[in-house]
This record gives sequence, C-alpha cells and structure tokens, in this order.
Amino acid sequence: RKEVEQDPGPFNVPEGATVAFNCTYSNSASQSFFWYRQDCRKEPKLLMSVYSSGNEDGRFTAQLNRASQYISLLIRDSKLSDSATYLCVVSNNAGNMLTFGGGTRLMVKP
Amino acid sequence: ETGVTQSPTHLIKTRGQQVTLRCSSQSGHNTVSWYQQALGQGPQFIFQYYREEENGRGNFPPRFSGLQFPNYSSELNVNALELDDSALYLCASSPRLAGQETQYFGPGTRLLVL
Repeated sequence: RKEVEQDPGPFNVPEGATVAFNCTYSNSASQSFFWYRQDCRKEPKLLMSVYSSGNEDGRFTAQLNRASQYISLLIRDSKLSDSATYLCVVSNNAGNMLTFGGGTRLMVKP
Repeated sequence: ETGVTQSPTHLIKTRGQQVTLRCSSQSGHNTVSWYQQALGQGPQFIFQYYREEENGRGNFPPRFSGLQFPNYSSELNVNALELDDSALYLCASSPRLAGQETQYFGPGTRLLVL
C-alpha cells in the first residue's frame, strides 16, 4: 500500500464546475499536510497547507480528517487555468521528509 | 519564482556513467531536499541536507549521494547510472528545519539515461 494515495484521474470538468479531490495517508504520525499544484513539465508549487479546522483560499477549500487519515481539496467555479496535476503531500513527524501522492490530473474544458 | 535554481536543465547520460546535479537554494534557506520524479508519478524523497549534514534519507541506494556547501547550495551525485534513473530531479529549499515549513522547489533537472 502506498503511503499517500490519490485517484490519478483525469478529472474532465467544464468551466464553472465544482470538483473535489480526495487523498488518504497511512502514517498516523504525519505532522503537516499540503496540496501542491504541478503544471505539465514544471516543478510542484505549494497551493495551500491543510489544517484540521479546514481552510479556504478563494475558490479552494482544503480539509483534513486526522481520525480517518483523509485529506480533501475542493475547487469551486473551475477555470481553464486550474488545469494541472494536484499533489497531496504529507510531512513526517520529524519534518524532514515530504511524501507525495501520485497526483490527480484535472482538465477544465470550455 | 521561488528563487531556487538548478543546473543543468537537461542531461543525457549512458548507463554506468556518473552524474552531478546542482542546486542553489533560496536566499536565507539552510535546508535542501532532493526528490526524484519519474514520468507520471509523484516526487520521491531522496535525502535532505541541513547545515551541511545529511538529515534524513529515503529509500534510495548508496550510489545516490549528496553534499551541501557553506553557502547552502547542494549537489546530488549518482554513480553507476541505470536506465531507471531517468527522471526529473527536483531540489527544494526551506528556511529552517521544522515540520511546518513549506518547501520551495526549483525547476528541476531532466536526466535521460540511455
């Protein structure tokens, strides 16, 4: 079993749609949680950190459920520019290693 | 731009050769991590350097080695290259060694082993 699991997609959605990505992690001692975005042939870039209380940044909402070891990302009112691969990322308790999921590919179409 | 730079951008090597990849961290960042990203997969942690010492290593063989210099720039060395080493190699820097710190990635080096 992979340490961080994501549905690889692709998710094909029309502009304006709401789309949700899920992620599960296996190490209950994991300390920090993030969503990164990676455009084709580019480096990953931090989209947002994820907190147990849930957090929102514009059209993006992230949620963490430590009991279920589950992380989610909700994108509202999808834009063409949201097309990318979204990587679920977990930091170990020492804080020195990020473990990435395989990524979920999103394609937003006109 | 994150301020993290990597060189070279692309590299082609043959099986059995050795390669050195370089990374300059963002100003003020003393921690550098290296990742390998194979096509269609997420990045995998190779190792991390903090103040010139290795501080954690992923599941990679000893032929993957590294260095960090006093100015916090870093090198990744891979000996006896294998075909499966073909990947995007990413370095990431962070301002200090702490669990909550985000890491900022450079643009990567694409290595092709023939």
